[in-house]
Amino acid sequence: GAGVSQSPSNKVTEKGKDVELRCDPISGHTALYWYRQSLGQGLEFLIYFQGNSAPDKSGLPSDRFSAERTGGSVSTLTIQRTQQEDSAVYLCASSEELNQPQHFGDGTRLSIL
Amino acid sequence: GNSVTQMEGPVTLSEEAFLTINCTYTATGYPSLFWYVQYPGEGLQLLLKATKADDKGSNKGFEATYRKETTSFHLEKGSVQVSDSAVYFCALRNTGGFKTIFGAGTRLFVKA
Repeated sequence: GAGVSQSPSNKVTEKGKDVELRCDPISGHTALYWYRQSLGQGLEFLIYFQGNSAPDKSGLPSDRFSAERTGGSVSTLTIQRTQQEDSAVYLCASSEELNQPQHFGDGTRLSIL
Repeated sequence: GNSVTQMEGPVTLSEEAFLTINCTYTATGYPSLFWYVQYPGEGLQLLLKATKADDKGSNKGFEATYRKETTSFHLEKGSVQVSDSAVYFCALRNTGGFKTIFGAGTRLFVKA
């Protein structure tokens, strides 16, 4: 496949559990981005990677959120001790370089019970 | 700070009607402007973009012109189709920046 791939597509979990969301960017894309799309909130930028480096983590909503990227490819967004307000669609995007148009995955719909 | 404001939806139109979705922005410098579309059950796709004042982006019959004097980037289409039903997001990215700022999205319903 040529597009950005995210998994799982849907995740339902109990409050307090940890979750890991995965993003597989387009091959060769050096930049990778995470966004959150909450109901009624629009799209919220979380974090970006240039290669394996995330220079600015200030967009992450709390210290329960973390993200890493390895090998300049796959990225995981981890949410620890999930809360109900974490329920949202988490979107990943990648671009060839930082200032190039971003290509989005289909997202992971996260529901916290 | 940078922000994007777009008209609230939902917008409901009949097939072949004219579409306008308003978008205005606040930004320092000279941002690039984008329209993204999200079809039901799918992720975001770039619809069109403009990188400097007076540029017109166009794709699939949609157009938007970068108006610096009115800080606007309104999306238009002359004749909508049922298949255009989707959520449309206006967005900006500052020159040399990486973070894209999105508007809240406007849902469009097109009736046959």
